[in-house]
Parts: sequence; C-alpha cells; structure tokens
Amino acid sequence: NAGVMQNPRHLVRRRGQEARLRCSPMKGHSHVYWYRQLPEEGLKFMVYLQKENIIDESGMPKERFSAEFPKEGPSILRIQQVVRGDSAAYFCASSQGRDETQYFGPGTRLLVL
Amino acid sequence: QKEVEQDPGPLSVPEGAIVSLNCTYSNSAFQYFMWYRQYSRKGPELLMYTYSSGNKEDGRFTAQVDKSSKYISLFIRDSQPSDSATYLCAGQLTFGSGTQLTVLP
Repeated sequence: NAGVMQNPRHLVRRRGQEARLRCSPMKGHSHVYWYRQLPEEGLKFMVYLQKENIIDESGMPKERFSAEFPKEGPSILRIQQVVRGDSAAYFCASSQGRDETQYFGPGTRLLVL
Repeated sequence: QKEVEQDPGPLSVPEGAIVSLNCTYSNSAFQYFMWYRQYSRKGPELLMYTYSSGNKEDGRFTAQVDKSSKYISLFIRDSQPSDSATYLCAGQLTFGSGTQLTVLP
C-alpha cells in the first residue's frame, strides 16, 4: 500500500546551489500538488500539476522555482540558486482527479546554509 | 485578510472531552473542504473531506460546513492523548495556519 513518496526526506544545500525535490504520487493518481510549510505556519500552495501539464502555478515564486510532472517518473520541484529563506518543509500531495481528496507525502525538509 | 482563518490555539483539553475546532473562510468559490491532522515533523494526514453544507461523520470525528456563513468545524468526541497534534482546515488549495491541540491524560 504505497502512499505518496517523497525524497530526499532531508536536504542540505549551501546558498547558490540547486535543490531538486522528488514526489511519486499514490498508485492511480495523476494529479500532484506542491506546498511549502514554514515553521509554526500552515501549508502554502505552490503549484498543481497533472501529467505533463501545469494546471495552476499561482502560488509559485516567479523566479528560481519550477516544477514538472513528466509522462514517466516522479514530479520534480526545482529550486535554483537557493537562499536561506527557502529553508522549509516541502510537501507533495496527490489526488485521483481534480477537486478530489489530496493525500500527502512525508515531506522534504530543506535546509539552506 | 487570509482566505482561511483558523484560531491557532494552543488548545488543551482533558482526555474524554469533546473538542471543537473552527475555521472561517472568505472565498465563496470554495467548493470542497478538508481537515487534516499533522503530528510534529510529519506529513498531514487526511481526516475529513466534505463537498457540501451539512454534517459528515466518521468514527469520533464530525465535520460541519455552513456555506451561508462561511464557517467550517471539526468535532472530536471522546478525545484521546493520541489526538494531540496540529489540525489544519482547508478550502480547496488554501489552508489555515493550524490549531495546536493537546489532550491531557
């Protein structure tokens, strides 16, 4: 019973490096969502993707952040030239269809030194 | 004004108490709502998904949605120490900041 999988679970990067976060949705799910959570704060929506398409990226910072969900393989959230303010927990969720229940992964905790 | 407002707590109750967690929202376009439980340093765990106004019950949990007043609630009956966590409400893709609950044995 594989749920949503994320890796790595912890990622340390120095300022200016790139961070790549991976998310494999639950079996049978073709919709993926990325959220960011800062300490003591709620989840902030970043981007919603379906296979090979970005459906909603209204929460995505305009620069340095990008996301993809290719036909084969996991969804990737990419952060270029990381800064200390990017340190957070990044959660991925998946759903079977649009507007359906979202199931979350365990998160990737990014620390930028 | 945030689109989903949630009392951050913290909230402490004795074991066995009924817990009431509440959120308000401002976006009339929200069609569905969710409640999640999040333990420290873990991913959110789905508790309830509701699409319409009214009540939905699942075990010790009851979710209530009132679209006319833009108010959503989660009730936990017979609360247990294992229910101690942060509870997040959401309107579609917008989450509240969470309510921290502690159930004291």
